[in-house]
Amino acid sequence: QAQLQQRGAGLLKPSETLSLDCVVHGGSFNGRYYNWIRLTPGKGLEWIGEMSSGGSTNYNPSLKSRVTMSVDASRNQFSLRLKSVTAADAAVYFCARGPPAGIAVEWGQGTLVTVSS
Amino acid sequence: DIQLTQSPSSLSASVGDRVNITCQASQDVSDYLNWYQRRPGKAPMLLIYDVSKLETGVPSRFNGRGSGTDFTLTITSLQPEDIATYYCQQYGDLPYTFGQGTRLEIK
Repeated sequence: QAQLQQRGAGLLKPSETLSLDCVVHGGSFNGRYYNWIRLTPGKGLEWIGEMSSGGSTNYNPSLKSRVTMSVDASRNQFSLRLKSVTAADAAVYFCARGPPAGIAVEWGQGTLVTVSS
Repeated sequence: DIQLTQSPSSLSASVGDRVNITCQASQDVSDYLNWYQRRPGKAPMLLIYDVSKLETGVPSRFNGRGSGTDFTLTITSLQPEDIATYYCQQYGDLPYTFGQGTRLEIK
């Protein structure tokens, strides 16, 4: 199995943009589905969105207006941008991937994101 | 969105016990139902996909069954390393959704 390594800032101020990357070490990058999922004490696991290696996306409607996902196959990397964060966006964020679509087989280590002024 | 309701929210059982966790969907998800285990401080891990298919490397004491709206994860003989929170997840319809989790403790 591949290893997914997350990187990005974990402390943000309200209204800033959350930016996380997930680098895939090993295995094939193409033909996969790349997900971002977050975990909060109050809401549990929440699916943020999914992007195929070919670039097609599905976002959770509850976050769609603020989310951008991207993939960079040349760098074996996929990314999440969430703009205008608030305290409600504080969570542990995970990258994960299939195939197939909808199944998170491999996971990153998680990034704790705190939002505080 | 499809709501997934897990029961119970938490449970305590003894080593060797048979444990059942149920997941009820607010509408038919066909067989697009997965189960994940999250040990404290770790990333979730896929246990079972498509209702009953065991992910590679997962012990055979885990099994899943169900169809449509009602699903069950069973641990046939509970082990100490099974202390975790368990989540069901559907991908029959967008957005994908998770159950609220079942926290499993050892007596």
